[in-house]
Amino acid sequence: QQQVKQSPQSLIVQKGGISIINCAYENTAFDYFPWYQQFPGKGPALLIAIRPDVSEKKEGRFTISFNKSAKQFSLHIMDSQPGDSATYFCAASIEQGGYQKVTFGTGTKLQVIP
Amino acid sequence: EAGVAQSPRYKIIEKRQSVAFWCNPISGHATLYWYQQILGQGPKLLIQFQNNGVVDDSQLPKDRFSAERLKGVDSTLKIQPAKLEDSAVYLCASRYVGYSYEQYFGPGTRLTVT
Repeated sequence: QQQVKQSPQSLIVQKGGISIINCAYENTAFDYFPWYQQFPGKGPALLIAIRPDVSEKKEGRFTISFNKSAKQFSLHIMDSQPGDSATYFCAASIEQGGYQKVTFGTGTKLQVIP
Repeated sequence: EAGVAQSPRYKIIEKRQSVAFWCNPISGHATLYWYQQILGQGPKLLIQFQNNGVVDDSQLPKDRFSAERLKGVDSTLKIQPAKLEDSAVYLCASRYVGYSYEQYFGPGTRLTVT
């Protein structure tokens, strides 16, 4: 019920291409869906996030598509660059007892090749 | 604004030894999280504090792990005794309690248990 399933585990994309990472969840009580980017040796950093009342959110080259009925959401990276090479985690959050509880996906290691 | 600080960055110990990690959150952030990130997996919440009170420790192996947050600021996470399966990166994150759900992560402590 609290799991967030993420795919693919790894992804290789040519520079300039589109990177797509998918996530699915079960608990319809989740109310916040962030994506985190993690570089080697660093902690995750918030990249972009969406709430379930919105179907799409775009920030620069990064877009979240959200399908509430299918309980799925995805990250699209347009015009992928070598600097985007990192591990990406989707997550889902729920407010319980006045505090936020976040469940992370298993991560996707993205490599953008020149 | 200074980020979340953690120390040490790396630690190697033998099984059955004890170890402690320290975290200093961003000033003014009431919520503090400790996560365990095993290689190739997403962060898993161990314990969450609101000020200096524990709000969620349901996934903390309490027979060997303990954590405290004195005066609602710094926090320490201890493992005693360590097992081989505790080898992971331990991430500390903090969050300002308000509309934003963003968590700010520290660089983590990489623990190797031999």
